[in-house]
Amino acid sequence: DGGITQSPKYLFRKEGQNVTLSCEQNLNHDAMYWYRQDPGQGLRLIYYSQIVNDFQKGDIAEGYSVSREKKESFPLTVTSAQKNPTAFYLCASSILAGTTGELFFGEGSRLTVL
Amino acid sequence: GQQVMQIPQYQHVQEGEDFTTYCNSSTTLSNIQWYKQRPGGHPVFLIQLVKSGEVKKQKRLTFQFGEAKKNSSLHITATQTTDVGTYFCAGRDAGNNRKLIWGLGTSLAVNP
Repeated sequence: DGGITQSPKYLFRKEGQNVTLSCEQNLNHDAMYWYRQDPGQGLRLIYYSQIVNDFQKGDIAEGYSVSREKKESFPLTVTSAQKNPTAFYLCASSILAGTTGELFFGEGSRLTVL
Repeated sequence: GQQVMQIPQYQHVQEGEDFTTYCNSSTTLSNIQWYKQRPGGHPVFLIQLVKSGEVKKQKRLTFQFGEAKKNSSLHITATQTTDVGTYFCAGRDAGNNRKLIWGLGTSLAVNP
């Protein structure tokens, strides 16, 4: 089955620790995205990538980092510089970043900072 | 900045009643997409509208794109408990097609 796999589903971390969220897709999609979702705030774009070895900041990139070394993979690191990291993180992909193309979402990773 | 306003934020209906959510953009959109997110789940694509004045139907769901391509609506006829969730619109700005601008969503609760 084609799709997007995010792991872990739930993650707890202590303040000051970096944590990396995994996102893998086997849809052969060019574009991948990371969104953050907080209650009542909708989806906010953190980073996106249209091609391997290239990525762009979204609206709330501070405190986050990404890499795109393979087409299938787009991991997100939540660094200790992110002031309020507790949130639901969603990875998505689309055929092309551009004028068309629906987003396919993974099941999400829920991060809680203790 | 570019915004898509979505109303209402919440809607509580009795099963069998109709439901509508509206999205209004501050700029002209090249297209608009609608997604549904069940409680505890992830957004799932419902439909994309591209043409001015376009109307599309999916069973009890009717989607409209305004003539000026600045607003859109989703109407559900005779809601069912399976319709529960948050409905998001997301529009692509006509001047910057790479970016999706998301509404904040409308959360629908349905009383059986």
